Amino acid sequence: QSVLTQPPSASGTPGQRVTISCSGSSSNIGSNYVYWYQQLPGTAPKLLIYRKNQRPSGVPDRFSGSKSGTSASLAISGLRSEDEADYYCAVWDDSLSGPVFGGGTKLTVL
Amino acid sequence: QVQLVQSGAEVRKPGASVKVSCKASGYTFTSYDINWVRQATGQGLEWMGWMNPNSGNTGYAQKFQGRVTITRNTSISTAYMEVSSLRSEDTAVYYCARGRIEYTYWGQGTLVTVSS
Repeated sequence: QSVLTQPPSASGTPGQRVTISCSGSSSNIGSNYVYWYQQLPGTAPKLLIYRKNQRPSGVPDRFSGSKSGTSASLAISGLRSEDEADYYCAVWDDSLSGPVFGGGTKLTVL
Repeated sequence: QVQLVQSGAEVRKPGASVKVSCKASGYTFTSYDINWVRQATGQGLEWMGWMNPNSGNTGYAQKFQGRVTITRNTSISTAYMEVSSLRSEDTAVYYCARGRIEYTYWGQGTLVTVSS
């Protein structure tokens, strides 16, 4: 059971906007930055969003992150077939003194 | 360019230990933390622990305290993660990653299979 709760699956058609939620608590999302990772099949995770909705070089601006209280969301606009992957939220947990990951959301592009 | 290159796949029997290496290049090894994250087949990411290569200080997820040891050899820019008393549930891909939680660089992963 993950400390952070994500829906196991999400889907959308090309061009659509989809959002993936991540629910936590005051000791993690409520007090720290949320990070998002994309994992394509058979590969290591890739950093998508860090700190305050910043994107590493090479990550398109179709990806954006937001946070409200103890929940966070990843939004993907203009959905493309290559966005089909697993997405994980991660955040530092003050109570556990370490990072925690969400259970992951499998995004399917229909 | 920054690279983290991990050692190859391992097979161990239950009760044995395994030590995975992570060789860093393209940056100053002692300037960034190294973390270890594992992923069982079809499952999510699980943080195991971290190490500051400069000081050697470490921290572990409570689940792995006493069973996982992270070390380093700064002369060859390599971090190590050893898991002891292996059980079947430890079968997973183990990743090293640079940073505290902002993991911009990852190793390619090392599959550890625990089977009798």
